[in-house]
Amino acid sequence: AQKITQTQPGMFVQEKEAVTLDCTYDTSDPSYGLFWYKQPSSGEMIFLIYQGSYDQQNATEGRYSLNFQKARKSANLVISASQLGDSAMYFCAMSFYNQGGKLIFGQGTELSVKP
Amino acid sequence: SQTIHQWPATLVQPVGSPLSLECTVEGTSNPNLYWYRQAAGRGLQLLFYSIGIGQISSEVPQNLSASRPQDRQFILSSKKLLLSDSGFYLCAWEDLTDREQETQYFGPGTRLLVL
Repeated sequence: AQKITQTQPGMFVQEKEAVTLDCTYDTSDPSYGLFWYKQPSSGEMIFLIYQGSYDQQNATEGRYSLNFQKARKSANLVISASQLGDSAMYFCAMSFYNQGGKLIFGQGTELSVKP
Repeated sequence: SQTIHQWPATLVQPVGSPLSLECTVEGTSNPNLYWYRQAAGRGLQLLFYSIGIGQISSEVPQNLSASRPQDRQFILSSKKLLLSDSGFYLCAWEDLTDREQETQYFGPGTRLLVL
């Protein structure tokens, strides 16, 4: 079965420190994409970063990086130098190239950045 | 640049009433379009997706239907709302210019409360 698991319902981090949000996935399909989205209190889902299953290097986008460990089936999001505006829900998601782009989401992690 | 619109932003409807939520995309042509629902405190669940005008795929059996009357318009409907239809409805479009990444970008969402 294809599944995304986020085991941290809530996380706290001090402003300017780094934080890692965990994501593990389960699939037997060799071709897939992994995504992280941010959902602030307004509700809009904001795309942060993407990692393809065949990518050799970990993806980075500004302060966001994805720690991709394929053998362990994990795709953790690392946010460096946390800012107050980073407080939000964060969702890990997975898609498969032969399934019409369907995204499977985890349950999310609520991140709170403390001043 | 591409933008995606959803309306209304918020809706309160009585049980048994009809529903029509609209989603439009600007700045792209022939996008894949998606409807997701998010229950409170949970991840997103895919309801429908469309790869072209009049082409709709349903992911889960439900009280809802979707239509795509124009290339960049996606409508979510119901003839008679149930209490369980309450939730946050998000429309997304998929960037097909990068066939490997297939990133989905989300609209602002519609909060539906059925009483």
